[in-house]
Amino acid sequence: AQSVSQHNHHVILSEAASLELGCNYSYGGTVNLFWYVQYPGQHLQLLLKYFSGDPLVKGIKGFEAEFIKSKFSFNLRKPSVQWSDTAEYFCAVNSPRQAGTALIFGKGTTLSVSS
Amino acid sequence: EAGVAQSPRYKIIEKRQSVAFWCNPISGHATLYWYQQILGQGPKLLIQFQNNGVVDDSQLPKDRFSAERLKGVDSTLKIQPAKLEDSAVYLCASSFSRGTSNTGELFFGEGSRLTVL
Repeated sequence: AQSVSQHNHHVILSEAASLELGCNYSYGGTVNLFWYVQYPGQHLQLLLKYFSGDPLVKGIKGFEAEFIKSKFSFNLRKPSVQWSDTAEYFCAVNSPRQAGTALIFGKGTTLSVSS
Repeated sequence: EAGVAQSPRYKIIEKRQSVAFWCNPISGHATLYWYQQILGQGPKLLIQFQNNGVVDDSQLPKDRFSAERLKGVDSTLKIQPAKLEDSAVYLCASSFSRGTSNTGELFFGEGSRLTVL
């Protein structure tokens, strides 16, 4: 069965610090990979996604993630965080082989950025 | 483009009572999902519909939870009777699927927060 592990439960950073959130997945086949973000009081929204091709994908608000197939990882990065990046971040995976397959989510990482 | 609509946003009930949540997906999205998100955890799939048929309900506690999507558009999730551990946010999401390809991205509603006392 597919599963997703997020290594950090709560990360606290100062503004301008660099961010890296770890994500590992367990699945033997081809996968789609996602990072979703949930800002306080808002719904889950897509930050970035990887389907195929260049393993370094760029998303909104300066975020990027790198797919490393040999490590089953899809870590999220941002060179310089802002106070407005305070949110909960979820890594998720699904299979591209079946139409409309559900996402499996990690437990999430809460990011707190102080100004 | 209108997003995924859910109601009610908040609901407080006593244990053993019943509750229903409603979801209207994005127009044209054939696939609809209900997720349960307990505080401190990631969303967990309860049920997935493709049009008005169930694709996956393996994690739905069928003794108390039921869901339907009769006309292939909006959907209702019901809990009867509710237990304390059902306190969670119930998220509805939809996605567009074209044939056998998977566009992958899910669009989420704002969720319905349930508190069971």
